[in-house]
Amino acid sequence: ETGVTQSPTHLIKTRGQQVTLRCSSQSGHNTVSWYQQALGQGPQFIFQYYREEENGRGNFPPRFSGLQFPNYSSELNVNALELDDSALYLCASSPQVNTGELFFGEGSRLTVL
Amino acid sequence: QQQVKQSPQSLIVQKGGISIINCAYENTAFDYFPWYQQFPGKGPALLIAIRPDVSEKKEGRFTISFNKSAKQFSLHIMDSQPGDSATYFCAALGGGGSYIPTFGRGTSLIVHP
Repeated sequence: ETGVTQSPTHLIKTRGQQVTLRCSSQSGHNTVSWYQQALGQGPQFIFQYYREEENGRGNFPPRFSGLQFPNYSSELNVNALELDDSALYLCASSPQVNTGELFFGEGSRLTVL
Repeated sequence: QQQVKQSPQSLIVQKGGISIINCAYENTAFDYFPWYQQFPGKGPALLIAIRPDVSEKKEGRFTISFNKSAKQFSLHIMDSQPGDSATYFCAALGGGGSYIPTFGRGTSLIVHP
C-alpha cells in the first residue's frame, strides 16, 4: 500500500511568484486536505477536496487554490507569494470524507525570499 | 481564535518516566479527539484517538484520558523512550457536520536516555 506522497520536497521562490505543490493520495482514499504548518505551530487547514469538488475551506485568501483529479491526486496553487507563505505544506488523504482519520505526507517545504 | 489549547509547549522526561500532555477545547460539538506524532522532517502520523463516549483509551504505552465536563483531554506516554522524542499535536473535530480538525500548537517532547 503506497502512502501519501508529495512533491517537491523543498523549493525556494521569491515574492510575487506562483507555486504549485502536488500530492498523490493513499490508495483507496477519495478525500484530500491541505494544511499549512508554520515553524513551531500546528497544521492550519487550507481546504479539502472530495470527488474533485472543494468541500470546505479554512481562513486563507483566494490566492490559495486547489484541484483534485479523477485519480484523487491533488494540487495546491499559491499565487502572488508573500514572505509569510514560507511554511511546510502538508497534504493528507482520508478513506472517506467525514472521518477524523488523516494520513499525512511528508510535506513540501516552501521558502519565500 | 484558538479553539484547542495545548500544554506544555515543551517537555523533557527521563527514560522510563511518564510524559503527560494536556489539551483543552471550547467547542462542545467536537466528538473526535486524535493525537498526532510528528518526527523532524516528517508529516504528522495518527497515534491514538478517542470519542467522548469513553473516558479512557489505551494502546500499548499510550493512553488518552478524556474529561467531557471539563472539556479536557490528555495523552499519557508510559515508560517513555528516547524514540518517543517528537512533537505531539492534539486535535479536535466533528459536530455540526464538519470533520475539519483544529490542531493544538504542539508539544516538543524530549526523552533523555
